[in-house]
Amino acid sequence: KNQVEQSPQSLIILEGKNCTLQCNYTVSPFSNLRWYKQDTGRGPVSLTIMTFSENTKSNGRYTATLDADTKQSSLHITASQLSDSASYICVVSARSNYQLIWGAGTKLIIKP
Amino acid sequence: NAGVTQTPKFRILKIGQSMTLQCAQDMNHNYMYWYRQDPGMGLKLIYYSVGAGITDKGEVPNGYNVSRSTTEDFPLRLELAAPSQTSVYFCASSYPSGTDTQYFGPGTRLTVL
Repeated sequence: KNQVEQSPQSLIILEGKNCTLQCNYTVSPFSNLRWYKQDTGRGPVSLTIMTFSENTKSNGRYTATLDADTKQSSLHITASQLSDSASYICVVSARSNYQLIWGAGTKLIIKP
Repeated sequence: NAGVTQTPKFRILKIGQSMTLQCAQDMNHNYMYWYRQDPGMGLKLIYYSVGAGITDKGEVPNGYNVSRSTTEDFPLRLELAAPSQTSVYFCASSYPSGTDTQYFGPGTRLTVL
């Protein structure tokens, strides 16, 4: 069964610190993987997209990595800011039917 | 360019009532989607559309209906509302395929009492 699991469920860090969020998937055959940021009360917004051949992609202070062999991805946030407080959702696309499988998200809280 | 808009923002329904959640996009996207998000949970796909006149069921379609008469609009109809339909509903659109970046509306918070 195609699944996407994210860890941790929630995370609290101090402003200025770095953090890494994890995403493990069992989707096959793999097409691409996206990370979305969802602010409280808002719709998700795309941060990055990674295809099979990409290992690392950056978007400002956000860096996503992908290991297609182990079916793992991570999202690293550098020098966190209060505005980074949000849920971060990993979404994997299956190449066979272009189905999107959404993870439950990691809720990140940045404290001053 | 307003992107994806949804109305209403909030709504309270009584059990058994019906309502339509409106969604419109001005980006000329062919794909449109309806999701629900329960507290602390991930998004679940209700229905999607690949273009005007074409709709298909997602993961949790029971109790909902959709139509797509134009490229811009994709309303979601709730018939006989039940407490289990209390959720936040998001509409999204993408182009040119279903695996491209989805652009989301601000959501509709629905409570059924």
